Amino acid sequence: AQSVTQLDSQVPVFEEAPVELRCNYSSSVSVYLFWYVQYPNQGLQLLLKYLSGSTLVKGINGFEAEFNKSQTSFHLRKPSVHISDTAEYFCAVVGAGKSTFGDGTTLTVKP
Amino acid sequence: NAGVMQNPRHLVRRRGQEARLRCSPMKGHSHVYWYRQLPEEGLKFMVYLQKENIIDESGMPKERFSAEFPKEGPSILRIQQVVRGDSAAYFCASSPMSGPHNEQFFGPGTRLTVL
Repeated sequence: AQSVTQLDSQVPVFEEAPVELRCNYSSSVSVYLFWYVQYPNQGLQLLLKYLSGSTLVKGINGFEAEFNKSQTSFHLRKPSVHISDTAEYFCAVVGAGKSTFGDGTTLTVKP
Repeated sequence: NAGVMQNPRHLVRRRGQEARLRCSPMKGHSHVYWYRQLPEEGLKFMVYLQKENIIDESGMPKERFSAEFPKEGPSILRIQQVVRGDSAAYFCASSPMSGPHNEQFFGPGTRLTVL
């Protein structure tokens, strides 16, 4: 069994400020980790993924995430957010062929 | 290369009617996944199909819901005798092959409203 916990359901932040969206997971098998973004009334778009290798992963739109195996975390970060980053962000783990998504974090960037 | 296509984008049904949701995977993709997103919640896995085969339906409700992915044509998620609790966004995703490292490409979703 595996689970994903996104620790913050809502994250408000001002434009150009840094942001971190937290994701913790649990699994009895090795997993692969993903972050997706969902803009209003759209499907999910892949931001980045960790499969193996370097624990710091860079994705699109200036986002990056760090895989921490000991803390079973995969937090998403961006050093300076834009208004256009306002969206829902989902952390997902894939293990033993199953995909599990977190409940999402709503990032709201204010001017 | 067109992305994953879902239709209709919006579907309104009255209680007791049937809902049919269609998903055309990306060209060359033979693996399809269906997810349901309830308001204010994340995505919940429903079913994973390959052409003519249901691989994993552990997330499908036991009654009223069925899915298929025929040799020709789109994948269909069918909900019989809909109830208000079925109101949700249903997303389809496809991937070129199995394996956890393969990215799933998502469609824009079908928003089902049951009156």
